[in-house]
Amino acid sequence: GQNIDQPTEMTATEGAIVQINCTYQTSGFNGLFWYQQHAGEAPTFLSYNVLDGLEEKGRFSSFLSRSKGYSYLLLKELQMKDSASYLCAVRDQGGATNKLIFGTGTLLAVQP
Amino acid sequence: DSGVTQTPKHLITATGQRVTLRCSPRSGDLSVYWYQQSLDQGLQFLIQYYNGEERAKGNILERFSAQQFPDLHSELNLSSLELGDSALYFCASSVDIGVSGNTIYFGEGSWLTVV
Repeated sequence: GQNIDQPTEMTATEGAIVQINCTYQTSGFNGLFWYQQHAGEAPTFLSYNVLDGLEEKGRFSSFLSRSKGYSYLLLKELQMKDSASYLCAVRDQGGATNKLIFGTGTLLAVQP
Repeated sequence: DSGVTQTPKHLITATGQRVTLRCSPRSGDLSVYWYQQSLDQGLQFLIQYYNGEERAKGNILERFSAQQFPDLHSELNLSSLELGDSALYFCASSVDIGVSGNTIYFGEGSWLTVV
């Protein structure tokens, strides 16, 4: 079966740091993705992890522990424009497909 | 701009009707994916095509069907529409299957409202 869990909502302050957690249980695994989605818009790619450890890209970092089925997205120096939904997704390598299975997303509200 | 093009952007139709959503993948991408996102729900995988062939099927209703044409554009057909089919339908594309790390890029989506 496929199960991806994220907190539903989070609130943080402009300029601060926030960590969004994701746990997963999937039948196959070939990488974990984070996407950002503003309301009514397309999800946009943020980061990708396939090996354990931390991947840093500017203000955004993502961590993966495959043995624990756990990832987090770290956002630093928060800006108001970071208010959005953050989607954790696992690439399923069942059969010949690399489709992504998404969690329900974490709605982040950045306050002044 | 992701390079994935979807039409129409907005569509309002009546229950029982049939609609077709269209998608042009990024240049060079062979895989096309369709996702449904209902209000307050996550992205639900519907179906994937690779170079014209169906590769994976998710929770797609029998009233829905899709295909990918030789020029790699794809269409999602939704028939006998119900109120609950109102949602944002995303098309996404990626370069290839089996290439570790290749990213899936999403189009802007087609808003379907069934009244």
